Amino acid sequence: NAGVMQNPRHLVRRRGQEARLRCSPMKGHSHVYWYRQLPEEGLKFMVYLQKENIIDESGMPKERFSAEFPKEGPSILRIQQVVRGDSAAYFCASSPNSESGLFFGSGTQLSVL
Amino acid sequence: AQSVTQLGSHVSVSEGALVLLRCNYSSSVPPYLFWYVQYPNQGLQLLLKYTTGATLVKGINGFEAEFKKSETSFHLTKPSAHMSDAAEYFCADRGSSASKIIFGSGTRLSIRP
Repeated sequence: NAGVMQNPRHLVRRRGQEARLRCSPMKGHSHVYWYRQLPEEGLKFMVYLQKENIIDESGMPKERFSAEFPKEGPSILRIQQVVRGDSAAYFCASSPNSESGLFFGSGTQLSVL
Repeated sequence: AQSVTQLGSHVSVSEGALVLLRCNYSSSVPPYLFWYVQYPNQGLQLLLKYTTGATLVKGINGFEAEFKKSETSFHLTKPSAHMSDAAEYFCADRGSSASKIIFGSGTRLSIRP
């Protein structure tokens, strides 16, 4: 049973480019969460999705950031026109329900030059 | 606002000594509490969780945590530290929001030979 799969592991973008981060949840998990982690800081909640629905996006910046979890395929976190401040580790987590805790992927390290 | 506070960003103990990592939560509704461990360049792994029932929760790798409602605490302990326990530890709470899990800022545990 594969765990949460995130790709790519490392992503380098120049300022102004777009970044697409992918997350395939564990089999049978319909809840997906995205978190951002900066060096020496904890995880900051960004967005919570279920299949085809955004449930809570209160942690997402209002501009340039978007997320989706389509009926088929992985969840995508999209960052348009990246800036240096977007450099961080982005973690995806999945869960079968809201009580069982989260299962994390290995993260995508985004570096903006 | 819901928050999770971890006292001490860095804790250092000798190998074989007691490990105590502190966590306090602020949610006003019955919390669902979690401890996660993060090794370098990896995602978070669930150590243990408290939802309902027994207040002393046992997890993997010999860790346990006790939920104390009167103190709004969920401290993590291990009787005897091992070198392999060196990592970052995060406390988290689902609390009043079923839609997201809030993390503390983390405690880095170092083990002295």
